[in-house]
Amino acid sequence: QKEVEQDPGPLSVPEGAIVSLNCTYSNSAFQYFMWYRQYSRKGPELLMYTYSSGNKEDGRFTAQVDKSSKYISLFIRDSQPSDSATYLCAMSEGIGGNEKLTFGTGTRLTIIP
Amino acid sequence: GAGVSQSPSNKVTEKGKDVELRCDPISGHTALYWYRQSLGQGLEFLIYFQGNSAPDKSGLPSDRFSAERTGGSVSTLTIQRTQQEDSAVYLCASSLNQGQPQHFGDGTRLSIL
Repeated sequence: QKEVEQDPGPLSVPEGAIVSLNCTYSNSAFQYFMWYRQYSRKGPELLMYTYSSGNKEDGRFTAQVDKSSKYISLFIRDSQPSDSATYLCAMSEGIGGNEKLTFGTGTRLTIIP
Repeated sequence: GAGVSQSPSNKVTEKGKDVELRCDPISGHTALYWYRQSLGQGLEFLIYFQGNSAPDKSGLPSDRFSAERTGGSVSTLTIQRTQQEDSAVYLCASSLNQGQPQHFGDGTRLSIL
């Protein structure tokens, strides 16, 4: 079993819909949680960065972390064709622990105009 | 430049040759990371630098892989006696300090013939 599990999709939704992406993990030492967006032949681009449990909102994006359930989510509101990309969740133990990021396999998302 | 810069963007070489991949982090970032992204394995951690020291080399897959960082800035990842299984995209990331968000370059796409 991988440390971080993510549904690879593909996921197709119509423009304007709300998108829900999620990951589960097994390592209770993870403290920092991130979502990256990756376009084809480009590097991952940081979308959201959260510490511990709770919600964080940035424009059309909301990240949720539930450490008790070892479950994180990313919601995209009013989805646009430009949101079509692969979304990667990532997590780390952070300062004093392990700095490396452990990634999910990524979910390929297509927004249909 | 404003972002993490990697060179070359593409590299094709014959099995058995040595290759050097370069990463120029965001100016002022003290932490630097190397990852590898392949179809079968997803995005995997290779090595982490804090300044010129590498406190975590746990992801290097074999002794054919080595990396160094000089002047607290540029890093080079070297793969000796390349094998076909080394074919992947090699990504570099940097962060302002440990525990801070990691920002990625667009990677070097390495193909071993």
